[in-house]
Amino acid sequence: DVKVTQSSRYLVKRTGEKVFLECVQDMDHENMFWYRQDPGLGLRLIYFSYDVKMKEKGDIPEGYSVSREKKERFSLILESASTNQTSMYLCASSLQGLGGTNEKLFFGSGTQLSVL
Amino acid sequence: GQQLNQSPQSMFIQEGEDVSMNCTSSSIFNTWLWYKQDPGEGPVLLIALYKAGELTSNGRLTAQFGITRKDSFLNISASIPSDVGIYFCAGQRYSGNTGKLIFGQGTTLQVKP
Repeated sequence: DVKVTQSSRYLVKRTGEKVFLECVQDMDHENMFWYRQDPGLGLRLIYFSYDVKMKEKGDIPEGYSVSREKKERFSLILESASTNQTSMYLCASSLQGLGGTNEKLFFGSGTQLSVL
Repeated sequence: GQQLNQSPQSMFIQEGEDVSMNCTSSSIFNTWLWYKQDPGEGPVLLIALYKAGELTSNGRLTAQFGITRKDSFLNISASIPSDVGIYFCAGQRYSGNTGKLIFGQGTTLQVKP
């Protein structure tokens, strides 16, 4: 079974802190994604990556950056955390399918981040 | 950005009842998907639909890809307590040689034994 592991289940940070959320997958997937989940808004894509050292902005990249130095690891960085970044963060990975399809996402269990 | 409108937002039903939820968009999608998120876990893919009009089942779950390619439906028959969770629809459009998923807002399902 594919396993996507997020380093922390719960995280509490202060406004202005630099925050690192780590994600590791063990199935050699090319694609990795970071989503945030908020009640009533569903899942919104922050950043994604189709290859090592490659990154693309999703729908809500402001206030975030990412790093993919190794194929199995995709990090989400909050340069200066703010209270409106309090959310559930979900990492996902998928194989690169035909025509760039990547619908079969495998998700981690999520990191609930609270910024005080 | 693009939006998928998923309804209802929440449902509270009795065990054994059937459940229906749907997702609509103003845009056409090439693929429709349905995910389920159990409490405390990440979403898991339930059903993937690839052709307009396609009807696909997975156990007690049945999903359909709308003819207009702008909507999709998920039905759960004879609900049981473990059906509890959040159900997300997602649509995929291809741009160049990449595909991005757009997720709906989710339908929270509670089942009373």
